[in-house]
Amino acid sequence: QSALTQPASVSGSPGQSITISCTGTSSDVGAYNYVSWYRHHPGKAPKLILDEVSNRPSGVPDRFSGSKSGNTASLTISGLQAEDEADYYCCSYVTSSTLDVVFGGGTKLTVL
Amino acid sequence: EVQLVQSGAEVKKPGESLKISCKGSRYTFTNQWIGWVRQMPGKGLEWMGIINPGDSNTKYSPSFQGQVTLSVDRSISTAYLQWSSLRASDSAMYYCAKLHYGSAENWGQGTLVTVSS
Repeated sequence: QSALTQPASVSGSPGQSITISCTGTSSDVGAYNYVSWYRHHPGKAPKLILDEVSNRPSGVPDRFSGSKSGNTASLTISGLQAEDEADYYCCSYVTSSTLDVVFGGGTKLTVL
Repeated sequence: EVQLVQSGAEVKKPGESLKISCKGSRYTFTNQWIGWVRQMPGKGLEWMGIINPGDSNTKYSPSFQGQVTLSVDRSISTAYLQWSSLRASDSAMYYCAKLHYGSAENWGQGTLVTVSS
C-alpha cells in the first residue's frame, strides 16, 4: 500500500489558478470515485475540501474544484487567496487486505 | 455540529505506555468508522488504522500493525489509540477523524505526543 504521488510544492500569485495532481494506480484512484482532498494549515486540524472526487462539503467555496482521469485526480484552486497557503493532501479508497485508505505525500502551496 | 475532541498533549519516556482518546459528539458514534492519522515533525499525513465503533472491527496499516492498538468505549462515545511501549520515533501529532466512504469528514484537534528520555 504505497502513498499516492503528489508534487512536493506548487506556487501561484493571488487571483491566479493552480492545479495539484494526485497519481495513484488502478487499485486506488483509478478504481474508485472515493478521492478526497484536505487543506492543512500547520498547527490546525486538516479540513476536508472535496470528497468523491469533486463534491464540495457545505461551506467550501466554489473556488475549489476536483476532477479525475484514469489513475490521476486533480485539485484546482482558482482565484488564489493568501489564506490558501497551506499543505494539501489527497486521499483515496484502495483495494487492500489491510487498510483501505491511503494519503498522498502532500503538496505545499505557496501564495506569492 | 459534529465534534471530535481529543485528549491533551502527552510527554512520556521511552518504554512507557500511553492511551490517547477521541470523544465524538452530536452524531451517532456507532454509525461511522473512526480513523487515526499520524503526522511526524515535518512530514505528511499517514493513516495508522481505522475502527468501526459499532462492532470494534479494526483495520491497520501494515506500518502500524502490532505497534498500536485501536479500541472504543461505546458507552462514552470515545475511541482510543494506545501504545504498550513507546519509542522516541512515536513522537508526533496524532489526529482522529470520522470517516464516510473513505473521506475524513470531521477531525479532532490533534494530540501531540512527545517521547523523550
